[in-house]
Amino acid sequence: GNSVTQMEGPVTLSEEAFLTINCTYTATGYPSLFWYVQYPGEGLQLLLKATKADDKGSNKGFEATYRKETTSFHLEKGSVQVSDSAVYFCALSQGAQKLVFGQGTRLTINP
Amino acid sequence: EAGVTQFPSHSVIEKGQTVTLRCDPISGHDNLYWYRRVMGKEIKFLLHFVKESKQDESGMPNNRFLAERTGGTYSTLKVQPAELEDSGVYFCASSQDDYYTDTQYFGPGTRLTVL
Repeated sequence: GNSVTQMEGPVTLSEEAFLTINCTYTATGYPSLFWYVQYPGEGLQLLLKATKADDKGSNKGFEATYRKETTSFHLEKGSVQVSDSAVYFCALSQGAQKLVFGQGTRLTINP
Repeated sequence: EAGVTQFPSHSVIEKGQTVTLRCDPISGHDNLYWYRRVMGKEIKFLLHFVKESKQDESGMPNNRFLAERTGGTYSTLKVQPAELEDSGVYFCASSQDDYYTDTQYFGPGTRLTVL
């Protein structure tokens, strides 16, 4: 079946550091790929998405590129802020539209 | 526009008791989903409604869980009787279109603790 694997957390960085959170997936065909974020005390929010190979999703300074050849969708940000502290979830959907999530990565940014 | 709302935000019950979780989707969204996250693990799909019909309930763990969506509006998820392993955060999401790339909008979740 379909699955998503994220780098294990927690991840702790200093403000203005470069961020990469790795995400790889297993799926037949061509799934859509998503990054969701959960800020403290809030629900899940869609951060960005990509629907086909080589698409780049971007939002709030975050980017991720759909790489079919490596089955990856790594999340990157050039300069993180304290306000980026949250839990990040990589996910895919295919066909029936139910989302399949990775285990989540807790990110803490120190000032 | 109001987002997806869930009630209660927290629930603490004893093993063997019954709990009912409620989800109000975004107005006009035909698709409603339930997910849960147990013990800090990945978020797992439970079921999917299209209007009042169950489109996919392949993720429901067992027959102690009953989901309904009366009139195609709000949905309830009942756990009866609750077991310790049911503890976790239950998320509801809704989307407008059934096309597979559409965005699902999530509620804040209900944290369920079974003692």
